Amino acid sequence: NAGVTQTPKFQVLKTGQSMTLQCAQDMNHEYMSWYRQDPGMGLRLIHYSVGAGITDQGEVPNGYNVSRSTTEDFPLRLLSAAPSQTSVYFCASRSSPNQPQHFGDGTRLSIL
Amino acid sequence: AQSVTQLDSHVSVSEGTPVLLRCNYSSSYSPSLFWYVQHPNKGLQLLLKYTSAATLVKGINGFEAEFKKSETSFHLTKPSAHMSDAAEYFCVVSDPSSASKIIFGSGTRLSIRP
Repeated sequence: NAGVTQTPKFQVLKTGQSMTLQCAQDMNHEYMSWYRQDPGMGLRLIHYSVGAGITDQGEVPNGYNVSRSTTEDFPLRLLSAAPSQTSVYFCASRSSPNQPQHFGDGTRLSIL
Repeated sequence: AQSVTQLDSHVSVSEGTPVLLRCNYSSSYSPSLFWYVQHPNKGLQLLLKYTSAATLVKGINGFEAEFKKSETSFHLTKPSAHMSDAAEYFCVVSDPSSASKIIFGSGTRLSIRP
C-alpha cells in the first residue's frame, strides 16, 4: 500500500521561481488537502478538494494554486516563490469528512 | 467557531513512567477529535480518533484518550513510556460535516529520558 505519495521530498528555489508539488493517493479518497507546517503553528490548510474538478481555498491560500483533474492526483503550484513560503508541505486524503486523514511524508521547501 | 489548545509545548518523562499530553478544544458543534504522532522527517500518523461513540478511545501503541464534554478536553495518556514514543503529537478537532473545518493544535514535543 503506497497510501499518499509526495514528490519531491526536498526542494530549494530562488525567489520568483515557480514549481509544482506533486501528491498522489491510491485509496480512491474523494477528499484531499494541502497543508503547510511551520514551527509552533501546527498545520494550516492551504487548499482542499472534495472530488475531481472541485477545489476550494483554505486558511492560507495566497500564492498557491491547485487543480484536481483525477481522483488520484492533487498538485500544488507555487506561482512565484517567496521566502515566506519556506515550509514543510503535507498532502492528506480521506474518504469522508468524519474519517481521519492519511498524510504523505511531506515536501521540505526552502526559498532563497 | 472551533479551536484547539495543546497546553504543553514540551513534555519530558522517564522511560517506564506514565505519559499525559493535554488538549482542550472549543466547538459549536459535535466534533470529531483525533490525536496524531509525527516522527522526525515523517508525515502525521493517526494514533486514535473520537467520533461520538465511546468516550474512552484506545489507539495504537498503548495510547488512549478520554473525551470529556463537560471539560472540553481530550487528553492523551499512556501508562508506560517507551523510548520510541519520543515524537511530536498533535491534537486535531474537526467538524464531521465539513471538508474544511479542521483545526490542528500547535503540537507537544514528547521527550523520553532513559
